[in-house]
Amino acid sequence: GQQVMQIPQYQHVQEGEDFTTYCNSSTTLSNIQWYKQRPGGHPVFLIQLVKSGEVKKQKRLTFQFGEAKKNSSLHITATQTTDVGTYFCAGLMTTDSWGKFQFGAGTQVVVTP
Amino acid sequence: DGGITQSPKYLFRKEGQNVTLSCEQNLNHDAMYWYRQDPGQGLRLIYYSQIVNDFQKGDIAEGYSVSREKKESFPLTVTSAQKNPTAFYLCASSEQGVGEQYFGPGTRLTVT
Repeated sequence: GQQVMQIPQYQHVQEGEDFTTYCNSSTTLSNIQWYKQRPGGHPVFLIQLVKSGEVKKQKRLTFQFGEAKKNSSLHITATQTTDVGTYFCAGLMTTDSWGKFQFGAGTQVVVTP
Repeated sequence: DGGITQSPKYLFRKEGQNVTLSCEQNLNHDAMYWYRQDPGQGLRLIYYSQIVNDFQKGDIAEGYSVSREKKESFPLTVTSAQKNPTAFYLCASSEQGVGEQYFGPGTRLTVT
């Protein structure tokens, strides 16, 4: 079964509001990546987190890696219509071999103007 | 113009036929990956390769085969043994096996 869970599966947001999507792993992760896929497109890399408790910001996006390295979150402030798409996390398990990332099912974000 | 190319964008095949999906990269990356994407299930790893002439099975390798004869190329064959081949197939590459993955535009395969 899927080892990396993402919630929520769908997120409807009014333009200007904030929202958070969460990624949880059943096992400890070496690192975690976040990707964004626009409708009809392919995933595009956003960020990679490696250290326990790490927080990184990209303009209105804030990424966090949990202290136990089993969960992560993506928080978007003041949502814009350009934020529409599906956000995926991808975790590399400490028990897995090099390169074998486990993707979550994604959070599909719809923005209402 | 560097990147990953996949061809064709759309592919239609009859059940029982093998089909090969192309993936080429000019990023000089060592690692390459094949993923399958179905609605609501995210990306699932089919095969990955760290270096030329070496590749590893991912979580859903049954019914698929790959080769890595050249650094820039990683073709995927969907065989007739794959029970549900209709899906969106994505190829990716990375400089190292734990780094940022660059994705191609994908091939949407429909088997009827």
